[in-house]
Amino acid sequence: GAVVSQHPSRVICKSGTSVKIECRSLDFQATTMFWYRQFPKQSLMLMATSNEGSKATYEQGVEKDKFLINHASLTLSTLTVTSAHPEDSSFYICSAAPGHLTYEQYFGPGTRLTVT
Amino acid sequence: GESVGLHLPTLSVQEGDNSIINCAYSNSASDYFIWYKQESGKGPQFIIDIRSNMDKRQGQRVTVLLNKTVKHLSLQIAATQPGDSAVYFCAENSGAGGTSYGKLTFGQGTILTVHP
Repeated sequence: GAVVSQHPSRVICKSGTSVKIECRSLDFQATTMFWYRQFPKQSLMLMATSNEGSKATYEQGVEKDKFLINHASLTLSTLTVTSAHPEDSSFYICSAAPGHLTYEQYFGPGTRLTVT
Repeated sequence: GESVGLHLPTLSVQEGDNSIINCAYSNSASDYFIWYKQESGKGPQFIIDIRSNMDKRQGQRVTVLLNKTVKHLSLQIAATQPGDSAVYFCAENSGAGGTSYGKLTFGQGTILTVHP
């Protein structure tokens, strides 16, 4: 149980275009989803916390207008990278937490974004 | 801000040896710690966790030790196998409620290489 999927697994886009990444909890409802970014040989950096039905909370230094997050249902959150640039190329990972009163969160397999 | 760091960025061991991966944390308010394993191109995989009211927890071939006095966390892997080769991250949760609940801060990671 507790499977989280991401789609697509990898995407290549041209500079200036927008890319949407989906994160789904397959066998549980996720009250909260988290989006991370990971550059090569670096750690995971939290970008934003997404709660179903409310606006996402962004970490300091993360542009909310560039990284649009929508958590429309208890099983789906999307991250849209708008007007992507080569420096946005990274590994984007989501995680999903099943409840308010638990620290447990389950990670997706990640999405490799390459902006050319 | 608070951060979680690791002493050793790389660790090479022989198959069958025991491995010890270390992590220092700086937020004394953190009450939950997790170790993750990340293989290349994949999302983090939960290994073991420990709450701050414990100093040791054992799993299958893994043991986590927590020393709150010196703010140190370690992961011990017994009889290390080539399949254990990966990057290992410690993470801490210091969110006590509200929008911080469930937020994880990741350490920099240790690359474990197991030689057959």
